[in-house]
Amino acid sequence: SQQGEEDPQALSIQEGENATMNCSYKTSINNLQWYRQNSGRGLVHLILIRSNEREKHSGRLRVTLDTSKKSSSLLITASRAADTASYFCALSGSARQLTFGSGTQLTVLP
Amino acid sequence: EAGVAQSPRYKIIEKRQSVAFWCNPISGHATLYWYQQILGQGPKLLIQFQNNGVVDDSQLPKDRFSAERLKGVDSTLKIQPAKLEDSAVYLCASSLGEDGHLHFGNGTRLTVT
Repeated sequence: SQQGEEDPQALSIQEGENATMNCSYKTSINNLQWYRQNSGRGLVHLILIRSNEREKHSGRLRVTLDTSKKSSSLLITASRAADTASYFCALSGSARQLTFGSGTQLTVLP
Repeated sequence: EAGVAQSPRYKIIEKRQSVAFWCNPISGHATLYWYQQILGQGPKLLIQFQNNGVVDDSQLPKDRFSAERLKGVDSTLKIQPAKLEDSAVYLCASSLGEDGHLHFGNGTRLTVT
């Protein structure tokens, strides 16, 4: 099974700024999902985007998917200190497994 | 709805000892997953159940790890004997179907000394 690679590994921004994280992969997917993990907690699902979709929004979150480039991005607008967490992309492929990348650690400074 | 329940929250054991983790998924969720998350890494799938049948256990170290999901509801993951490299957070997750998104528990943090 394949694994997405997030970029950057770590990101530090000021409150109010936008944060962009990227995920690249190598083979075809059925869908791509983004999750957030606060320190010491389990992962929380943010957005699922299917392979035939190009963009989805949820509140301050915007996810894009470019299957020709095999990449996805997660944009968090007007970031808050509470957005500080690790963000993971997860790929669902033909085997229906969900595999996670190593994540981006986002720090939002007040 | 109640979330995915896991216990214990923390466990410290010595190498070569055995340990078991318990998970109760969200009611009605047919698919249950056990993931291992080593510090600083993303979760790695150990085993996936659909009801009480195993869908994928290709990354489960079967010489020391075992898992079961009796009656297609709650599940236990066991390690026997534990090694130092088993120190990690063990996350349980469930979903309605294989293409749905996952609901995670807060995990069990295992330290092997």
